[in-house]
Amino acid sequence: GDSVTQMEGPVTLSEEAFLTINCTYTATGYPSLFWYVQYPGEGLQLLLKATKADDKGSNKGFEATYRKETTSFHLEKGSVQVSDSAVYFCALFTTGGFKTIFGAGTRLFVKA
Amino acid sequence: GAGVSQSPSNKVTEKGKDVELRCDPISGHTALYWYRQSLGQGLEFLIYFQGNSAPDKSGLPSDRFSAERTGGSVSTLTIQRTQQEDSAVYLCASRPRGENTEAFFGQGTRLTVV
Repeated sequence: GDSVTQMEGPVTLSEEAFLTINCTYTATGYPSLFWYVQYPGEGLQLLLKATKADDKGSNKGFEATYRKETTSFHLEKGSVQVSDSAVYFCALFTTGGFKTIFGAGTRLFVKA
Repeated sequence: GAGVSQSPSNKVTEKGKDVELRCDPISGHTALYWYRQSLGQGLEFLIYFQGNSAPDKSGLPSDRFSAERTGGSVSTLTIQRTQQEDSAVYLCASRPRGENTEAFFGQGTRLTVV
């Protein structure tokens, strides 16, 4: 069945470090791919998305490229800030349906 | 309102009692989802509703859990005979029509079974 696998956390970085959070997926067809972020004490909110192969989603300095050949959607940011500390979820919406599959989440801590 | 609204925001209940959690989706959104997030864990899919189609209940963990969506809008998740392992944050999300649209989440209901 469809699934999403994220790198395990927590990930601890110093401010201004480079961030990569890996995400790979298994799905039939051509799913849409998403990254959601959950800041402490808040609900989930969409960070970025990509709807077809080779699309790049970007927002707030974060980027992720839909790689169909490697079934990946890795999240990157060139210079993290303390305010980026949160839990990041990779997700896919299945083709032709409405089922949403989320990864387990990766907690990021950024130290000043 | 502009977003997905869930109530109550917090609920403490005694083991064995029934609870109802409410979700008001964004107006016009055709899909509605319930998830459970246990402490430090990811999102566990429970159920989703899509328009007038039969709901996908494949994620409900036991027959103590049920959900309904009235008039294609408000949804209620009911947990009967609550157990301590039911303690978690229950998240609701809604999504507009279209395959590439994103889901919008509510703030969640934190359920504590004592």
